[in-house]
Parts: sequence; C-alpha cells; structure tokens
Amino acid sequence: AQSVTQLGSHVSVSEGALVLLRCNYSSSVPPYLFWYVQYPNQGLQLLLKYTSAATLVKGINGFEAEFKKSETSFHLTKPSAHMSDAAEYFCAVSGGGGNKLTFGTGTQLKVEL
Amino acid sequence: EAGVAQSPRYKIIEKRQSVAFWCNPISGHATLYWYQQILGQGPKLLIQFQNNGVVDDSQLPKDRFSAERLKGVDSTLKIQPAKLEDSAVYLCASSYGDPGRGETQYFGPGTRLLVL
Repeated sequence: AQSVTQLGSHVSVSEGALVLLRCNYSSSVPPYLFWYVQYPNQGLQLLLKYTSAATLVKGINGFEAEFKKSETSFHLTKPSAHMSDAAEYFCAVSGGGGNKLTFGTGTQLKVEL
Repeated sequence: EAGVAQSPRYKIIEKRQSVAFWCNPISGHATLYWYQQILGQGPKLLIQFQNNGVVDDSQLPKDRFSAERLKGVDSTLKIQPAKLEDSAVYLCASSYGDPGRGETQYFGPGTRLLVL
C-alpha cells in the first residue's frame, strides 16, 4: 500500500526565510504526488502536483517541489516566507497501483515576524 | 466555476443522535469523495463514488455511517447513531476522473461536527 510521511508536525520560520516542508513517499511504482494547503476552517486547496512530466513542479503562491526518486521524496519549498503562508500543509499520494488519495498527517507552518 | 458546496458548515449533536451532511460537487465531475478529518490528522477517505456507484467504501463504518449519491450529482452522508469519536471535519471532494490517474481532487469547505 502506498503512503506518505511528513517529517515535523510543526515548522516555524521567520518572515522572509526559506520554507522547507518534508514529505517522503512509499510506492512500488511511480506515483502521483500532491501538496495541499488548508487554512483555518477551510477545505483543502491544491498547491501543486507531480504527474511525471517534470521533476521540479511549480505551484501557486511561489511554492515548488522536487520529485527525487532516489530519495523517495517530494519536499515543498518557498524561497521567502510570508505571513499569509501560515497554514497546515498536507502531502498526498495516489496511483502506483492504488486508486485512492492517501494523505500524510500534515505540517503546521507558523510564520513569525 | 463554482466550487464544491457543503452544508451545514457546523453541527453540534448529542451522542446517539443522527446527523446528515450534504454535498454538491463541481459540475461535470464524475467522482465524489467523502473524507473524515480528525483534529491533528490528515483526511481519511470514507467513501468514493464514480457517478452513482460506490468504488471504495472499505473505511466506512457501515454499522453507523451511510452515504448515497442520487442521479450521480449531489450526495449525502449520514451518521446514525453518532458516537463521541465521530467528532471531526467531514470533507467532500470531487474530481473529473479517478485518483489512480493523478486527477486533482477539489475540496469543499467541510462540515465541522461536534458530538457531545
């Protein structure tokens, strides 16, 4: 069965600093990988997804993620954090023989002045 | 384009009562999903519909939860009777195709349920 592991349930960065949220996946075949963001009392919004077209994926709000097969990773980055980035971020995996989307446990991002 | 609509947004009930949630997916989306998101956890798939039919309900507690999708559009999720551990956010999502092919799922705002 496919799964994702998000390292760090809480990450805190200063405004303007690099954001790095970690995600490792487990899948026997190339998967589809997603990053979603959830703001308080809202549903999930897609940030970006990997579908094997390119290993470096650019998403909305300045976020990007790189698919590294050798490391089974799909970490999310943003060069400069903004206060509005404070939210919970979920990594998810589908495909790879599975027919459903499986989420990680989430990382709460806090941005400090 | 209108997003996924859900109602109600909040619900408070006593244990052993029943409750129902409604979802209207994005127009033209054949696949509809219900997720349960417990505080501090990622969403967990409860049931997936493809048009009118159920594709996956392996994690749906069928002794108390039921769901239907009439005419392949709107869907309702019901809990009867509710337990304290059902307190969670119930998210509805829809997609054009199935997740096995990398289709993006679009989520509604969720219904926050508190069982007392």
